[in-house]
Amino acid sequence: RKEVEQDPGPFNVPEGATVAFNCTYSNSASQSFFWYRQDCRKEPKLLMSVYSSGNEDGRFTAQLNRASQYISLLIRDSKLSDSATYLCVVNSNNAGNMLTFGGGTRLMVKP
Amino acid sequence: DAGVIQSPRHEVTEMGQEVTLRCKPISGHNSLFWYRQTMMRGLELLIYFNNNVPIDDSGMPEDRFSAKMPNASFSTLKIQPSEPRDSAVYFCASSVVFGQGRTEAFFGQGTRLTVV
Repeated sequence: RKEVEQDPGPFNVPEGATVAFNCTYSNSASQSFFWYRQDCRKEPKLLMSVYSSGNEDGRFTAQLNRASQYISLLIRDSKLSDSATYLCVVNSNNAGNMLTFGGGTRLMVKP
Repeated sequence: DAGVIQSPRHEVTEMGQEVTLRCKPISGHNSLFWYRQTMMRGLELLIYFNNNVPIDDSGMPEDRFSAKMPNASFSTLKIQPSEPRDSAVYFCASSVVFGQGRTEAFFGQGTRLTVV
């Protein structure tokens, strides 16, 4: 079993739709969690950090469920520019600040 | 801040040749990561350093790969000899832990390596 697992998608949604991605992690000692966004042929960029139960930033909401060991990302009112791959990242601080990436979920927002 | 700087951006080399990838982390960051990304395997952590010391190199594919961090502002990833299956995008990232164990990692633009 991979340490961080995501549905690869693609998720094809119309503009204005609400879409949610889930990510599960195996290391129960993981301390912090992130969502990164990666555009085609570009580097991953930090979208949101999740340190407590959740975080909201505009149209984006991230939630953490430690008991079930999953993190979710909700995108409301999808824009064409949201089309990208979304990477779930887990940091196990007890392992010395090591970031482990999921395989990513591809989102395509259509007009 | 200029961000994480990687060089070269693109590298095309023949099988058997030595390849050296370079990374300059963000000033003040004390962790540095080397990742490899392919369509088949996604983003894989190769090695990471804390305060210039290699902490985990279990992701390094084999002895052909080596990484060094001689000081806080420079790291190299070397492949010798290179093989076609090493073709991938290699990313360097740096991070710092700030207060209550919080951390953020920033990536360089990557080096796209093609071994023919």
